[in-house]
Amino acid sequence: DAKTTQPPSMDCAEGRAANLPCNHSTISGNEYVYWYRQIHSQGPQYIIHGLKNNETNEMASLIITEDRKSSTLILPHATLRDTAVYYCIVRINQGGKLIFGQGTELSVKP
Amino acid sequence: DSGVTQTPKHLITATGQRVTLRCSPRSGDLSVYWYQQSLDQGLQFLIQYYNGEERAKGNILERFSAQQFPDLHSELNLSSLELGDSALYFCASSASLGTQYFGPGTRLTVL
Repeated sequence: DAKTTQPPSMDCAEGRAANLPCNHSTISGNEYVYWYRQIHSQGPQYIIHGLKNNETNEMASLIITEDRKSSTLILPHATLRDTAVYYCIVRINQGGKLIFGQGTELSVKP
Repeated sequence: DSGVTQTPKHLITATGQRVTLRCSPRSGDLSVYWYQQSLDQGLQFLIQYYNGEERAKGNILERFSAQQFPDLHSELNLSSLELGDSALYFCASSASLGTQYFGPGTRLTVL
């Protein structure tokens, strides 16, 4: 079973920041938080991951709380092309499989 | 473009048949993972290979098998196909055991 909890759906206005929350209260000390998204039926796309520090790349920012029990993925200026299902996954970095939950379906609206 | 390629894109076949799905990992990646995505089960891990050796197994049926070849490409073989095997099949690859990058998938339809 997935070790994360996400809201099933969210809406965001185009051009605004999209903040996607994720709860992972049972995360272990050596587990990373990974975010992927899946646009329609395409292959899941890697977005970002982190252990305990906040991370930023060209796609998004990842904010992890100090107790590591939750995190937020931030898309700073959402576009229509960001409409997708976003998956939050916890995984040890040297581990194998990804366990996907139901994810959050983000709809970016004009 | 993740650099992972999968063929074919679409496959339509009949119950009882056998098919082979192919995956070429990103250049230099040693690890290959297979996932199945069906409407009712979501994305599920099937099996992982690392440098030619099976490393982990998930919810893979006995009718399914996989292998990774010396050139690191991988094949997923599905036999005695049933209607319920209709799904999207994704391959992912990673350098060592790090971040996984997914291919575009193969859509299998069993009639």
